[in-house]
Amino acid sequence: AQKITQTQPGMFVQEKEAVTLDCTYDTSDPSYGLFWYKQPSSGEMIFLIYQGSYDQQNATEGRYSLNFQKARKSANLVISASQLGDSAMYFCAMREGSGNNDMRFGAGTRLTVKP
Amino acid sequence: DVKVTQSSRYLVKRTGEKVFLECVQDMDHENMFWYRQDPGLGLRLIYFSYDVKMKEKGDIPEGYSVSREKKERFSLILESASTNQTSMYLCASSLVPRGRETQYFGPGTRLLVL
Repeated sequence: AQKITQTQPGMFVQEKEAVTLDCTYDTSDPSYGLFWYKQPSSGEMIFLIYQGSYDQQNATEGRYSLNFQKARKSANLVISASQLGDSAMYFCAMREGSGNNDMRFGAGTRLTVKP
Repeated sequence: DVKVTQSSRYLVKRTGEKVFLECVQDMDHENMFWYRQDPGLGLRLIYFSYDVKMKEKGDIPEGYSVSREKKERFSLILESASTNQTSMYLCASSLVPRGRETQYFGPGTRLLVL
């Protein structure tokens, strides 16, 4: 069963505006971590931000923040002040605390920043 | 900085050929992973290894095998390539996968099977 859902195949945003990329997840494990990665056209996956299930505050890393709503099982990525270099694929991923500890990835969202 | 390298960025092979994809990491990570990435499907785990000579099947191991003879190297083998194995293959490594420990990815290999 799909554990990570990214419902937006593609998104457009105007340069300098903020954009939210959606991610919902499904787990019964009380301990889990949520990750966001960026994949530019070069192909390499770049780690952006992490949110733990027990973290009290939403994670922030520079222009990236995570809108974590635990009861709704959502972990949306917010990019503020978009730049042309933000154009890329973005993947949400989850690692559960039990089991093999391997990651599950969503299908990804392609973000295009328009000048 | 962690560096994960993959032997080829692009490969073109014929149906039935045996294909080797190599991945090397330089950070002494215990864990290494092979994924394939397809549009609309995201990344799917093929195999992973948590130690030398150890391997575990991921979600889609059929048609693939792996080898980990040295800690820094993890090879993906397509025993008899088929056209449905045309894809982007990503290798990753990490320390013990817990908490905020991320995976570090290589640049990927785009494989075309004709």
